[in-house]
Amino acid sequence: AQSVTQPDIHITVSEGASLELRCNYSYGATPYLFWYVQSPGQGLQLLLKYFSGDTLVQGIKGFEAEFKRSQSSFNLRKPSVHWSDAAEYFCAVGGLGGGGADGLTFGKGTHLIIQP
Amino acid sequence: DTAVSQTPKYLVTQMGNDKSIKCEQNLGHDTMYWYKQDSKKFLKIMFSYNNKELIINETVPNRFSPKSPDKAHLNLHINSLELGDSAVYFCASSQLAYEQYFGPGTRLTVT
Repeated sequence: AQSVTQPDIHITVSEGASLELRCNYSYGATPYLFWYVQSPGQGLQLLLKYFSGDTLVQGIKGFEAEFKRSQSSFNLRKPSVHWSDAAEYFCAVGGLGGGGADGLTFGKGTHLIIQP
Repeated sequence: DTAVSQTPKYLVTQMGNDKSIKCEQNLGHDTMYWYKQDSKKFLKIMFSYNNKELIINETVPNRFSPKSPDKAHLNLHINSLELGDSAVYFCASSQLAYEQYFGPGTRLTVT
């Protein structure tokens, strides 16, 4: 069965500092990997995705993530965080099983707090 | 233009009632989904519909039933609501296995 682990429930970062959120996945076939962000009271917004090709993917809002197959990881990074980045971040895995309609398996999320 | 919309945004109801949540997508996607987010913010797939056919049902109680009148709509009907059904329900859509676009969510409170 597929699974996603986000080992950090909460992370506190100072504004302007760099950020790395960890994600490890378990998936039996070629994974499609995603990072979503959820601001308080809002829906989920896609930050970036990895399907194939270049293992370093760029997303919106200055985020990037690196796929490392050997470590089953897909960590999210940002060189300098802004106060508006405070939110809940979800890593998710999906694939072509069921014709692509299996839905996504999400990690439990990492709550990002930005200190002034 | 809202890509995936849900109504209502908030739903407060009593135990035992029957309620529905509507979802519409204007992206032309083939597949639509319902997810449940619990009080700890854990998201879990409930249903997906592909070409008006139910593809997956993740051990959800049969009090929950998805209804898709056409490719652009996937409504969620819930019978005999229980306290444990209180959660935020998200609709999403995608084209095949690609990225999913989520609606704004419906916060259901059962009293």
